[in-house]
Amino acid sequence: NAGVTQTPKFQVLKTGQSMTLQCAQDMNHEYMSWYRQDPGMGLRLIHYSVGAGITDQGEVPNGYNVSRSTTEDFPLRLLSAAPSQTSVYFCASSRTSGGENNEQFFGPGTRLTVL
Amino acid sequence: AQSVTQPDIHITVSEGASLELRCNYSYGATPYLFWYVQSPGQGLQLLLKYFSGDTLVQGIKGFEAEFKRSQSSFNLRKPSVHWSDAAEYFCAVGAGGTASKLTFGTGTRLQVTL
Repeated sequence: NAGVTQTPKFQVLKTGQSMTLQCAQDMNHEYMSWYRQDPGMGLRLIHYSVGAGITDQGEVPNGYNVSRSTTEDFPLRLLSAAPSQTSVYFCASSRTSGGENNEQFFGPGTRLTVL
Repeated sequence: AQSVTQPDIHITVSEGASLELRCNYSYGATPYLFWYVQSPGQGLQLLLKYFSGDTLVQGIKGFEAEFKRSQSSFNLRKPSVHWSDAAEYFCAVGAGGTASKLTFGTGTRLQVTL
């Protein structure tokens, strides 16, 4: 199993450009989520999905869109990039959204710079 | 809303010395608690988790953590640190008593001197 994969690893955008960060998992996990990591702030939840066709907002959703058409994929879209979106983005997945003995598995991250 | 506080931004210990990283949480019910480690340029790896039961939890790489409800704490410990333990450590609490929708602390960077 590849686990959680993210592409690209690095990306530089200009203000106003759009792009999609890709995330895929091969563990048949129901739950997937996106976090951003900024210095001194830990990780913050952007959006999450409890299954195909179902998404919801996390703590910092503004400026980001998501969709979940398949169990495996959960892309994150930046419609009009801003310098404030410069960050490291992590995708994560877990077997379900709840229940004991559950945990989230994280991808390697995408480092995004918006000029 | 839940929150997590890691009061130590940066800790330096000598190789072979013991380690304790502090984590305090705020959550109304019994929390689901996690410790993750992040090596430079890498993703997050789960060290250990607490859902219920025994308050002393064993994890990977020789780490353990103790859940203390009275102190709202979930401190991470290791009896003897190795140079390869140098990394950033994050404590997290799961929202609504789940392993999802994690709220993270700001992290503690561990430096190990030889």
